Amino acid sequence: GDSVTQMEGPVTLSEEAFLTINCTYTATGYPSLFWYVQYPGEGLQLLLKATKADDKGSNKGFEATYRKETTSFHLEKGSVQVSDSAVYFCALATSNFGNEKLTFGTGTRLTIIP
Amino acid sequence: ETGVTQSPTHLIKTRGQQVTLRCSSQSGHNTVSWYQQALGQGPQFIFQYYREEENGRGNFPPRFSGLQFPNYSSELNVNALELDDSALYLCASSTGGAGGYTFGSGTRLTVV
Repeated sequence: GDSVTQMEGPVTLSEEAFLTINCTYTATGYPSLFWYVQYPGEGLQLLLKATKADDKGSNKGFEATYRKETTSFHLEKGSVQVSDSAVYFCALATSNFGNEKLTFGTGTRLTIIP
Repeated sequence: ETGVTQSPTHLIKTRGQQVTLRCSSQSGHNTVSWYQQALGQGPQFIFQYYREEENGRGNFPPRFSGLQFPNYSSELNVNALELDDSALYLCASSTGGAGGYTFGSGTRLTVV
């Protein structure tokens, strides 16, 4: 079945450091790929997405490129801020007869130190 | 444009009881999905409703059931609660298609 494997956390970085959170996936067909962010006590917010190979999703300085050849969708940001501290989830969506469901990774907790 | 609202925000139930969680979908969204997020884990797909019909189900037992109403709001019902049902339950609505999901803030269920 479909699965998402994320970089184990927690990850602690200093402000302005470079961020990479690795994500690889296994899926049948051609999934869409997503990064969601969850702040303490809140639900999930869509951070960025890519719907086909070689697409780059970007938002708020975060980027991820859909790499079909390596089945990866790594999240990157050039200079992190304290406000980026949250849990990040990589996810894929597959559609089966109109039923689209999201399959999530286990999440990576990111803490940014001033 | 309102987002997805869930109620209640927190709930404590006793093992063996039944619970109903509610979700109001974002305006214009006709598809609702429910997810269970255990502590420290990623969300797990429970089921999806489209135009009041169940339209896909994850690996959850039949005691997890749902409804979608004509206004596209939804309920998640869990019977015979078990301790392992303690989790954050997330509702997400969409218009269908690739990843246009909006999540609510969730209901934190604790079973004691």
